[in-house]
Amino acid sequence: AQTVTQSQPEMSVQEAETVTLSCTYDTSENNYYLFWYKQPPSRQMILVIRQEAYKQQNATENRFSVNFQKAAKSFSLKISDSQLGDTAMYFCAFVKTDSWGKLQFGAGTQVVVTP
Amino acid sequence: EPEVTQTPSHQVTQMGQEVILRCVPISNHLYFYWYRQILGQKVEFLVSFYNNEISEKSEIFDDQFSVERPDGSNFTLKIRSTKLEDSAMYFCASRSRDRAIGYTFGSGTRLTVV
Repeated sequence: AQTVTQSQPEMSVQEAETVTLSCTYDTSENNYYLFWYKQPPSRQMILVIRQEAYKQQNATENRFSVNFQKAAKSFSLKISDSQLGDTAMYFCAFVKTDSWGKLQFGAGTQVVVTP
Repeated sequence: EPEVTQTPSHQVTQMGQEVILRCVPISNHLYFYWYRQILGQKVEFLVSFYNNEISEKSEIFDDQFSVERPDGSNFTLKIRSTKLEDSAMYFCASRSRDRAIGYTFGSGTRLTVV
């Protein structure tokens, strides 16, 4: 079974600064996808960034980037130039390529951006 | 941008009552899901649905739960006899054939069982 671990329950960062959220996962699969989802106070789940395991290049979406270390089974999210609107819960999620697509989520990291 | 629409946004029901949560997935998506998030806890998979049948379900998805896609657009989750512990946020999600694109989630239904 796959497990996804987010070891930081909460992170605080000042506006314009950078914060890095950690995520590790445990799997015997070679092909899979990883995602970061953002859940603001409205509780909607919003896709932030995705990474395909067979791609070595780290994904980037504007101020969001990942550091994907396949051998270490690590998938951290970096938020650069943090903005107040980045305040949210962030979930790391994993899905096997050969499954029906069940996403497995970590416990989440609450990010608080302060002025 | 296409959205997954869930109704109602908040439902309060008495213990033992039946509830139906509704979702309209993105029109060209083929795979549909329900997830649950108890307040302050992680998001948990309930069920996946493809080609008009359940493809996978979790241990949470017992005989009290059912899903259907009655008319080719709506995707519903029914809880037959609600319990207090069913109180949670329920998310519907859908995706296209390409798993790499990711999943689109609805804004959720907050179910409160009293």
